[in-house]
Amino acid sequence: QSVLTQPPSVSAAPGQKVTISCSGSSSNIGNNYVSWYQQLPGTAPKLLIYDNNKRPSGIPDRFSGSKSGTSATLGITGLQTGDEADYYCGTWDSSLSAGEWVFGGGTKLTVL
Amino acid sequence: QVQLVQSGAEVKKPGASVKVSCKASGYTFTSYGISWVRQAPGQGLEWMGWISAYNGNTNYAQKLQGRVTMTTDTSTSTAYMELRSLRSDDTAVYYCARPLMVTSDAFDIWGQGTMVTVSS
Repeated sequence: QSVLTQPPSVSAAPGQKVTISCSGSSSNIGNNYVSWYQQLPGTAPKLLIYDNNKRPSGIPDRFSGSKSGTSATLGITGLQTGDEADYYCGTWDSSLSAGEWVFGGGTKLTVL
Repeated sequence: QVQLVQSGAEVKKPGASVKVSCKASGYTFTSYGISWVRQAPGQGLEWMGWISAYNGNTNYAQKLQGRVTMTTDTSTSTAYMELRSLRSDDTAVYYCARPLMVTSDAFDIWGQGTMVTVSS
């Protein structure tokens, strides 16, 4: 059971838009920055969004992030078949004394 | 270019230990911490802990306290993760990861992953 809750799967047609939610609490999302990762089959995760809504160099603006209260959302527009992957949110959780990094359970995106 | 290169796959028996290495290049090793993340087959990502390459300070996931040790060798810009008393549910791909910036926790640079199989 992950500390951060994501839908197991989402799907949309090529060219459409999809959003992936990530729900947490005040000890994690509510008071810390959220980042998002894309993992293609058999590869290491790739950073898509950091500090809630910033894109690293090289990440297209089709990918966007937002945060409100204890929830965060990843948006992907102009879906492409190459976007089929697992997506994870992550943030710091300060509920334990030293804090721990936590990930969501992951969301499998299918581009129909 | 900035990269992390990990050691090769391992097969271990239950109760044994494994030590995975992560060699950094392309940046000043001591300027960034290194986190370790694992992924069991078909499962999600699990953060294992973090080590400062500057002073060796560590922060381990509570779940792994007492079984995991993270170290660095600054002379070779290499980070190590040792996991002891291995169980079958430790079978996973183990990744090392570096943050995007010194002031950020977001993991930007990842190693290629090391498959650790625990089987009798």
